[in-house]
Amino acid sequence: AQKVTQAQTEISVVEKEDVTLDCVYETRDTTYYLFWYKQPPSGELVFLIRRNSFDEQNEISGRYSWNFQKSTSSFNFTITASQVVDSAVYFCALFTSGTYKYIFGTGTRLKVLA
Amino acid sequence: DSGVTQTPKHLITATGQRVTLRCSPRSGDLSVYWYQQSLDQGLQFLIQYYNGEERAKGNILERFSAQQFPDLHSELNLSSLELGDSALYFCASSPGTGRDTQYFGPGTRLTVL
Repeated sequence: AQKVTQAQTEISVVEKEDVTLDCVYETRDTTYYLFWYKQPPSGELVFLIRRNSFDEQNEISGRYSWNFQKSTSSFNFTITASQVVDSAVYFCALFTSGTYKYIFGTGTRLKVLA
Repeated sequence: DSGVTQTPKHLITATGQRVTLRCSPRSGDLSVYWYQQSLDQGLQFLIQYYNGEERAKGNILERFSAQQFPDLHSELNLSSLELGDSALYFCASSPGTGRDTQYFGPGTRLTVL
């Protein structure tokens, strides 16, 4: 069965702190894709990153970085020097090519306090 | 702005009624996806269409149906509405199939009274 677990329901940090959002996935497919989306208070879902199962390179984009580890089935997301504008709900998602399923985690609400 | 449009933004209706939600994908995108976001169920994938054909089905109820038209816009029909159908319904589009990045519309908030 496919599953995405975001165990952190809500995280609060003070501005400029670093914060890591955890994502653990389960799948038996060997080909799959992992995504992170941001949902700010305005409600729209914004794509942040996509990673396929054959590419374990970590990625950095400005203050955002992602750590993909197949050995632990994790795809964690770190925000460095957080800002108030980072306050949002962040979703991790899994697409499995074999079973053609899209599964979202329950989301982590991040509150960045000024 | 993702380029995906959804109408209406808000919809209030009564139990037992039927509603239609509309989605226009980004220019050039062939796939349209529908999702339901509710407080108790989170974000659930409902269905995907690719170039007019149903491509994948998720947790879509039998009371719900969708279609994608030749101009690639899509409609999600919800019938015999229940209180529990109150949710935010998102449409997303992508150039091709499932592994592509999906771009989400602003959503339609449905309230069933």
